[in-house]
Amino acid sequence: DGGITQSPKYLFRKEGQNVTLSCEQNLNHDAMYWYRQDPGQGLRLIYYSQIVNDFQKGDIAEGYSVSREKKESFPLTVTSAQKNPTAFYLCASTKISSGANVLTFGAGSRLTVL
Amino acid sequence: GESVGLHLPTLSVQEGDNSIINCAYSNSASDYFIWYKQESGKGPQFIIDIRSNMDKRQGQRVTVLLNKTVKHLSLQIAATQPGDSAVYFCAESEGNNRLAFGKGNQVVVIP
Repeated sequence: DGGITQSPKYLFRKEGQNVTLSCEQNLNHDAMYWYRQDPGQGLRLIYYSQIVNDFQKGDIAEGYSVSREKKESFPLTVTSAQKNPTAFYLCASTKISSGANVLTFGAGSRLTVL
Repeated sequence: GESVGLHLPTLSVQEGDNSIINCAYSNSASDYFIWYKQESGKGPQFIIDIRSNMDKRQGQRVTVLLNKTVKHLSLQIAATQPGDSAVYFCAESEGNNRLAFGKGNQVVVIP
């Protein structure tokens, strides 16, 4: 089945540690996105990538980094510079076409800083 | 599971009744709108979309209404079922720009 897979589902981190969240899709989608979700909040865009080896900052990129070495993969690193990293992280992807922006989401990764 | 519905506007609806979820958007140039459903501990799922050249679109048990004059979007769910309990997000975009998401509305179905 085609889909988008995030791992791990739950991750615990000590303060000062970097952690990397995995996102893989086999939908042959061009663009991939990382969102952060906090309780009672909408989705806030961290980073996105429309082609391999290229990515752009979203609205809350500080303290995060990404790479897009393969079309299928868009890992997110939460660095120690992120002051409040505890959140639910969602990866999404879409096929780039004219005027349609339907995103397919993964199941999410819950990061907790101890 | 994950709770993403804390402090959200909440609609409580009796099973079998119709639900109406409302969304006000901000960009008058937005030309594409989507509704997503998010169950606890899961990622959002696409429900239905609508372009700005339409004011109504129907799917299976769902209808989206768009009023561009007052920048208002609504999602109607017919014969609400327990499985419809979730947080519902609207999102808007202008051209091929990225989606902007609303904060969400919690729907609780009472059996």
